[in-house]
Formats: sequence, structure tokens, C-alpha cells
Amino acid sequence: DAGVTQSPTHLIKTRGQQVTLRCSPKSGHDTVSWYQQALGQGPQFIFQYYEEEERQRGNFPDRFSGHQFPNYSSELNVNALLLGDSALYLCASSFRDTQGETQYFGPGTRLLVL
Amino acid sequence: AQKITQTQPGMFVQEKEAVTLDCTYDTSDQSYGLFWYKQPSSGEMIFLIYQGSYDEQNATEGRYSLNFQKARKSANLVISASQLGDSAMYFCAMRGPFRGGYNKLIFGAGTRLAVHP
Repeated sequence: DAGVTQSPTHLIKTRGQQVTLRCSPKSGHDTVSWYQQALGQGPQFIFQYYEEEERQRGNFPDRFSGHQFPNYSSELNVNALLLGDSALYLCASSFRDTQGETQYFGPGTRLLVL
Repeated sequence: AQKITQTQPGMFVQEKEAVTLDCTYDTSDQSYGLFWYKQPSSGEMIFLIYQGSYDEQNATEGRYSLNFQKARKSANLVISASQLGDSAMYFCAMRGPFRGGYNKLIFGAGTRLAVHP
């Protein structure tokens, strides 16, 4: 039973560039959430996708956008990269969106913006 | 506003001893869930244990137990018989309902645990 997978594992970009991160959910899961974890901090919620729609969004600018595909996989896009976007980006999957439903995380993508 | 507070930036424990990691939370909701995750240096967040706000008994998962004190709004993680592999960052998190949906997890700042032989 494959867990949550993310690609790439590491990425280096320069300011102003655009980046796409990818996530495949755990088998049987249909909901994908994205989090940003800056160095030394806890993860911050970016947004969540369910049935190919963005369900809820955290306090992130419109430069952060996403997509969910019919097979439940998801992409996170960040435009006009800033130095402050350097972080670990974590994808989490879950089944539906019920109280108590556990989110399982992938290994993350480490993004460095120079 | 919902908030998770972890007041211990770092903790250390001797191998085979028990350790308690503190977590307090703030919410006006009656229905919510509390989670603990472990994050090794590799970065992946590993789910450890879950406690629902209406659960009357403290959750347990193997060597992990959650000391849930609802009136004090605390959800401390107890690790029994610590192992060297327990050395990692530990995050307490809370989930919904927030603004009508259960959607997001709110995390604390984390506690770094070091297990000494």
C-alpha cells in the first residue's frame, strides 16, 4: 500500500521564477492538503483540494495556486518566487473531510529560492 | 482564534525512560480533533496519535499515549520506554471545525526531543 508521494524531493529556483510541485495521495484517499514549513517552524496550511475543487485556503497570496486531477493527485504552483518562499512543502492526503479523519503526509519537497 | 502552544523548544530523556511533551490549545469550538506528529530529520511528518474532543478516554497507540485534559485545554503526549529512534521534532496539531469545515490542521511550533543512551 503506497503512501503519499511527492516530487521532486529538492528544487532550486531563482527569484521571479515559477515552480510546480506534485503529490500523489495514499491509496483510497481523495482529499489533498498542502502545507508550507519554514525552517524551525510548524507547518502552515496553504489550501485543500477535494473533488477537484479548492475547499479552503490559508493566508497565502494568489501566487500560490493548485490543481487536483481526476485520479486525486495534485499540483502546487508558485509564481513569481520570493526568497521567503524557501521552505519544505508538505502534501497530506485523507479520505473525505470528516471529523477525526487523519491526514497522512508525504516526504515533502525542499524548495530553495536564490 | 484557534491556536496550539508547545512551550518546550527542546527536551532530552534517557533511553528507556518516559517523557511528556506539552501541548495546550485554544478554541471556542466544541468539536475538534487533536493530533501528534513526529518529524525526523528527513522531513516527513509521521502520524502518531489522535484524540477527539468528545472521546472520554485518553488515546493510546503502542508506546504513545495522549493525556487529554479538556477543561485545561491540554493534550500532552507521553512516550514510554524511549528509544534512540524517538529522537525527532514532535508537533501537536488541532483540526476543525473551522469556519464550517474540518479542513485544515493548525500546528504548534514543535518540540525537539533528544534521546540519550
